[in-house]
Amino acid sequence: NAGVTQTPKFQVLKTGQSMTLQCAQDMNHEYMSWYRQDPGMGLRLIHYSVGAGITDQGEVPNGYNVSRSTTEDFPLRLLSAAPSQTSVYFCASRLRGGEAFFGQGTRLTVV
Amino acid sequence: KQEVTQIPAALSVPEGENLVLNCSFTDSAIYNLQWFRQDPGKGLTSLLLIQSSQREQTSGRLNASLDKSSGRSTLYIAASQPGDSATYLCAVEYGNKLVFGAGTILRVKS
Repeated sequence: NAGVTQTPKFQVLKTGQSMTLQCAQDMNHEYMSWYRQDPGMGLRLIHYSVGAGITDQGEVPNGYNVSRSTTEDFPLRLLSAAPSQTSVYFCASRLRGGEAFFGQGTRLTVV
Repeated sequence: KQEVTQIPAALSVPEGENLVLNCSFTDSAIYNLQWFRQDPGKGLTSLLLIQSSQREQTSGRLNASLDKSSGRSTLYIAASQPGDSATYLCAVEYGNKLVFGAGTILRVKS
């Protein structure tokens, strides 16, 4: 059981660069979400999806784009990286009303 | 705004002590509430899930309660051990969204 797989685990970007964080799940979950975790602030929702082709903004969506072309994959794109986007990023998946499963996280540093 | 608050922010206890972590939420129209554990540098691991129609859930030394009317949940850890040291987060599901508290950092001293 792979669960939720995130890649890469670590990344250093220069200001202005773009990149995509990958997230894949093999549990046929309809709901997928991206969070960022900063010290003392818990997890804040960036974007989420309730099924293939359907995405919506969370609490802190600015500077990020998502798409959901398949049930399994939910990539997060940073369009033009800024130092304020230095954080740990988590992807999660679940069924509605069900237990949430998380990936191991991506530690992103923007210099 | 749907907000989740966890008290205390940090807790240090001697091994063997029973302890309670608190979680409160502003909007009582919840689907469920989930407690997670996070070890340093790791992802989140689900501990207990309480559906909105339930009052409590138990797993081993852990017991979580839910009071929707007062907007509160507690996580009770019995006979704490050094291996319980971690950050504990609660999250409330509001349909499409899972809203997290900031967590309680627990340290159990041997």
